[in-house]
Amino acid sequence: DQQVKQNSPSLSVQEGRISILNCDYTNSMFDYFLWYKKYPAEGPTFLISISSIKDKNEDGRFTVFLNKSAKHLSLHIVPSQPGDSAVYFCAASRRGPGTYKYIFGTGTRLKVLA
Amino acid sequence: DSGVTQTPKHLITATGQRVTLRCSPRSGDLSVYWYQQSLDQGLQFLIQYYNGEERAKGNILERFSAQQFPDLHSELNLSSLELGDSALYFCASSVGGTGGYGYTFGSGTRLTVV
Repeated sequence: DQQVKQNSPSLSVQEGRISILNCDYTNSMFDYFLWYKKYPAEGPTFLISISSIKDKNEDGRFTVFLNKSAKHLSLHIVPSQPGDSAVYFCAASRRGPGTYKYIFGTGTRLKVLA
Repeated sequence: DSGVTQTPKHLITATGQRVTLRCSPRSGDLSVYWYQQSLDQGLQFLIQYYNGEERAKGNILERFSAQQFPDLHSELNLSSLELGDSALYFCASSVGGTGGYGYTFGSGTRLTVV
């Protein structure tokens, strides 16, 4: 059962434009949502997160929006730069006893065209 | 360099064999997590250790086992290997419960079973 879904395997955007990456989830008990970025031959790198009690979090060019009623979150990158080209993973966490286990989506490959 | 060290970077082995993947967490981090990324799949959570004790278990096969040693490094043992075990194996670490702060990932071990 895929609790976190990224339905778009890839996305191409022109440099300077907005990139919007989407993620859907099924479990209403998730308490944090995160975005990770992954370059080839490297491990995923934490980008930005949002608590389930908020609907927006912004960090520089990156903004994450959370719509709990739709169980949907999105990552907006404005303006997009060629260096943003990477695979982006959405993740959700649910606290268990002594653990924060993250469940990841399958990723969206973003290509920013110069 | 994320501070999480995984060795080896690449491993090629035959079906039926056993291999050990090693992870040294970031200095000060007590939790170690193992994830598997197969082709076109998201990151699948395998297992978490906290200060030497198993804390959470995910989709880890019985042929796989892990442990965390007193110096906090961790090893993931994969035995009776099958072609389908070919994947990227990532280790991540965190101080403890991280919620919205994410893990720090290593660069992974690419396992190829032939």
